[in-house]
Amino acid sequence: EPEVTQTPSHQVTQMGQEVILRCVPISNHLYFYWYRQILGQKVEFLVSFYNNEISEKSEIFDDQFSVERPDGSNFTLKIRSTKLEDSAMYFCASSELRGRASEAFFGQGTRLTVV
Amino acid sequence: AQSVTQPDIHITVSEGASLELRCNYSYGATPYLFWYVQSPGQGLQLLLKYFSGDTLVQGIKGFEAEFKRSQSSFNLRKPSVHWSDAAEYFCAVGNTGNQFYFGTGTSLTVIP
Repeated sequence: EPEVTQTPSHQVTQMGQEVILRCVPISNHLYFYWYRQILGQKVEFLVSFYNNEISEKSEIFDDQFSVERPDGSNFTLKIRSTKLEDSAMYFCASSELRGRASEAFFGQGTRLTVV
Repeated sequence: AQSVTQPDIHITVSEGASLELRCNYSYGATPYLFWYVQSPGQGLQLLLKYFSGDTLVQGIKGFEAEFKRSQSSFNLRKPSVHWSDAAEYFCAVGNTGNQFYFGTGTSLTVIP
């Protein structure tokens, strides 16, 4: 069964450092997403991406965050200067279509710990 | 604004017992509703979804959920729980852009 894969599974970084979280969406999917879950809180939408540009983003997704599809297979989330409050589980998702016709498939998540 | 409430943070059931996980939502239009499960170290796996039609939805692993518009609820049920069902369960509301609004999750423990 096709799956979304995320690397690394756990990343520890020092405050102020840049991190890049990587995702390989399902190959024929066109829509890509990042979500995050701070420990004990809800899974929150960060950003959606289609046709090499951001289609929606939440208020969480400020200038510290960026996304990129550097090649035909990877989808990355970059945090430029990490803060303690960026510590969370980050989920990547992809879908073939957009909206109610489509199911989004989620990866296993990357746990980011900022120290 | 869209929101999802899962009032039970943690539930413990005996293996073989029935299960109901509660979910209430707030959404201005007809909601697209989902239940996801997350086992330790795993991603979010879709159990079932409701878009329209029959309000009782069947999913994988023997789960079902019932959409009740009058109660703004979409509770997840399973008649007989297995030890492998121990996991975190998330209810979510989706919009037309595939943006999901998740609840805080319910952690299920199954005791033998």
